[in-house]
Amino acid sequence: GESVGLHLPTLSVQEGDNSIINCAYSNSASDYFIWYKQESGKGPQFIIDIRSNMDKRQGQRVTVLLNKTVKHLSLQIAATQPGDSAVYFCAENYGGATNKLIFGTGTLLAVQP
Amino acid sequence: EADIYQTPRYLVIGTGKKITLECSQTMGHDKMYWYQQDPGMELHLIHYSYGVNSTEKGDLSSESTVSRIRTEHFPLTLESARPSHTSQYLCASSDTRAGRGYTFGSGTRLTVV
Repeated sequence: GESVGLHLPTLSVQEGDNSIINCAYSNSASDYFIWYKQESGKGPQFIIDIRSNMDKRQGQRVTVLLNKTVKHLSLQIAATQPGDSAVYFCAENYGGATNKLIFGTGTLLAVQP
Repeated sequence: EADIYQTPRYLVIGTGKKITLECSQTMGHDKMYWYQQDPGMELHLIHYSYGVNSTEKGDLSSESTVSRIRTEHFPLTLESARPSHTSQYLCASSDTRAGRGYTFGSGTRLTVV
């Protein structure tokens, strides 16, 4: 079936640098996208979301960019900190009121001191 | 703090035993979900519920069953545990009206020996 995939399984960055985590999705009907952060031994935590009628959304130190033309989603983390080390998942909602999210494989972000 | 609780956090059990993984949420969310996740891997939807007395199977076939007798409670049961059931089980809930994605519990790490 349709799936969400990530380009890079592991991303290693220096503390203080900016991080960019990418995600490709395949369902053009998806209308809602979310980034989750999952720390070891915990459940995924909501970071930021974006609807398909937007290109960009900013949060605290995080920005999500959506390019519907190439079905690409990215998460930018500014001034990456050791506490940002985790696995990051993108998820897409196929649309409508079903609110059924499909998750990608995940990218491990490793922040080097 | 997430208002969704899973118990137990860790469970080691022998083959053939019946087990129930508990999940409760205090947010009044109408939708609830169970995901199965192997270490470092993506989340696979195994069951979901859109309200009381409503349950559906997810994208990944599972021998488990669920029930939704009360809005806040969504237990998952394995009638006869097998080593292939060893995994992490994550419960989540969402509010259709809020459109803010899912809130996840901390998960249950199940090991069947």
